[in-house]
Amino acid sequence: AQSVTQPDIHITVSEGASLELRCNYSYGATPYLFWYVQSPGQGLQLLLKYFSGDTLVQGIKGFEAEFKRSQSSFNLRKPSVHWSDAAEYFCAVVDASKLTFGTGTRLQVTL
Amino acid sequence: KAGVTQTPRYLIKTRGQQVTLSCSPISGHRSVSWYQQTPGQGLQFLFEYFSETQRNKGNFPGRFSGRQFSNSRSEMNVSTLELGDSALYLCASSLISGARNTEAFFGQGTRLTVV
Repeated sequence: AQSVTQPDIHITVSEGASLELRCNYSYGATPYLFWYVQSPGQGLQLLLKYFSGDTLVQGIKGFEAEFKRSQSSFNLRKPSVHWSDAAEYFCAVVDASKLTFGTGTRLQVTL
Repeated sequence: KAGVTQTPRYLIKTRGQQVTLSCSPISGHRSVSWYQQTPGQGLQFLFEYFSETQRNKGNFPGRFSGRQFSNSRSEMNVSTLELGDSALYLCASSLISGARNTEAFFGQGTRLTVV
């Protein structure tokens, strides 16, 4: 069965600093991967997706992610974090319309 | 275009009662999936409906059920509520079912509190 691991439960970065959130997946075939963001009490917003092709994918709000098959990873990055990026971030893999999510990484941004 | 609409946003119910949550997908989307989010278990898949048929089901007891109408709107029902059913219930809509390369768009969720 597919699975996703997000090793970092909580990360704190200073505004303006770079960010990398880790995601490792387990899937038998080529995975289709997603990053979602959730603000407190809200639903999930899709940041970006990887289906195939270029391993570096661009998303909304200045985020990007790189798919590395050799490392089974799909890490999310942002060059310069804004205070409004404080939220919880979820990595997910899809199989037959079912999303399997990681446990999430809560991002705190200090001013 | 309008997003995924879930109603109500908040609910408080008593143990033993039943509850019905509603989800209206994005116009033109025919697949609706439901997820439960709790601090302890995270985001877990409940079930998916497409063309009024349940296509996929997660590992939840039979107290959790759902249905989809001809206009693609979906409802989920939880009977005999337990304290552990307190959660944020999220609905996601997709254009089609079964294809991995399709995006899921989520609603704001319904926060259910069981007392």
